[in-house]
Amino acid sequence: GNSVTQMEGPVTLSEEAFLTINCTYTATGYPSLFWYVQYPGEGLQLLLKATKADDKGSNKGFEATYRKETTSFHLEKGSVQVSDSAVYFCALSGNQGGKLIFGQGTELSVKP
Amino acid sequence: EPEVTQTPSHQVTQMGQEVILRCVPISNHLYFYWYRQILGQKVEFLVSFYNNEISEKSEIFDDQFSVERPDGSNFTLKIRSTKLEDSAMYFCASSGWSGQGQETQYFGPGTRLLVL
Repeated sequence: GNSVTQMEGPVTLSEEAFLTINCTYTATGYPSLFWYVQYPGEGLQLLLKATKADDKGSNKGFEATYRKETTSFHLEKGSVQVSDSAVYFCALSGNQGGKLIFGQGTELSVKP
Repeated sequence: EPEVTQTPSHQVTQMGQEVILRCVPISNHLYFYWYRQILGQKVEFLVSFYNNEISEKSEIFDDQFSVERPDGSNFTLKIRSTKLEDSAMYFCASSGWSGQGQETQYFGPGTRLLVL
């Protein structure tokens, strides 16, 4: 079945460091790919998405490119801030929508 | 900006009791979901609901669970006889429809359920 694998956390970075959180997937067909973020004590918020191969999703300085050849959707940010501290979830759905399948989440902690 | 709301934010119950978790999806959305997140674990799909019926459910969603859309705005998850392992954060989500398929799912803030 479909699945998502993320790099283990927690990830601890200093402010202004470069961030990469790896995400790979297994899916039949052409899934849509997502990154959701969960700030402490809050629900899940959509950060960015991509719906077809080579699409790049971007938001708030975060980017991720849908790579079909490597079945990956790695999240990157050039310069993290303390306010980016949160848990980041990679997820996929069918290309027409439907249930989301989540990775295990990666906790990011950014120190001043 | 429209948002999904959930009540209560926290619920504590005794094992064997029934609980009802409530959600108000975004008003023009057509697809509704429940997910749960056991502490420290990944978010898991429970059930999806469209056109007043369940469209898909996971293995977790057994006979103890049910969902209902009792009116035009609420979407509820009922657990008939709670077990200790039902303790989790429960998220409701909803999505709309574009000409090309379902749109992005928007999540509520969650209900934290603790079964004692």
